[in-house]
Amino acid sequence: EPEVTQTPSHQVTQMGQEVILRCVPISNHLYFYWYRQILGQKVEFLVSFYNNEISEKSEIFDDQFSVERPDGSNFTLKIRSTKLEDSAMYFCASRYTETGELFFGEGSRLTVL
Amino acid sequence: AQSVTQPDIHITVSEGASLELRCNYSYGATPYLFWYVQSPGQGLQLLLKYFSGDTLVQGIKGFEAEFKRSQSSFNLRKPSVHWSDAAEYFCAVGDRSDMRFGAGTRLTVKP
Repeated sequence: EPEVTQTPSHQVTQMGQEVILRCVPISNHLYFYWYRQILGQKVEFLVSFYNNEISEKSEIFDDQFSVERPDGSNFTLKIRSTKLEDSAMYFCASRYTETGELFFGEGSRLTVL
Repeated sequence: AQSVTQPDIHITVSEGASLELRCNYSYGATPYLFWYVQSPGQGLQLLLKYFSGDTLVQGIKGFEAEFKRSQSSFNLRKPSVHWSDAAEYFCAVGDRSDMRFGAGTRLTVKP
């Protein structure tokens, strides 16, 4: 069964460092998303991406964040200068064009020290 | 603005008892509606979804949910809970370009 894969599963970084989280969406999906979940809190929408551009972003997704689909298969989330409060589980998701079901990856846990 | 409310932060039920998790939404049109489950340290797994048609939808693991337009609700039910159902449950509402999640309901199952 096709699935969304994310790497790394866990990354520990120092405050102020750049982090790139990688996702490989399901191959024929066209809509891509990043969500985050701070420990014990709800899943929060960060950004949606379609046709090689951001279609919507939340207030969380400030100038420190960026997304890219560099090669037609990977979908990356970059945090330029990490803060302690960026520590969270980051979920990538993708979906078909004709239905609303989101397929989620297993998540990448980011710990900022 | 679209929003999702899960009024119950934490629910405890006995194994074998019935379960209902509440979800209310605010949306401009009929949205797509979803329930996801998240086990500790795991990702999100889709339980069921509603797009249109029959308002009672069946999902995996014996769960079902009913869409009630008049109440803007999409409550999740299970007639008999198993210990393995202990997890966090998220209701989600969205359309083709966006999806929003509720705060989640943590389910504890007593032996």
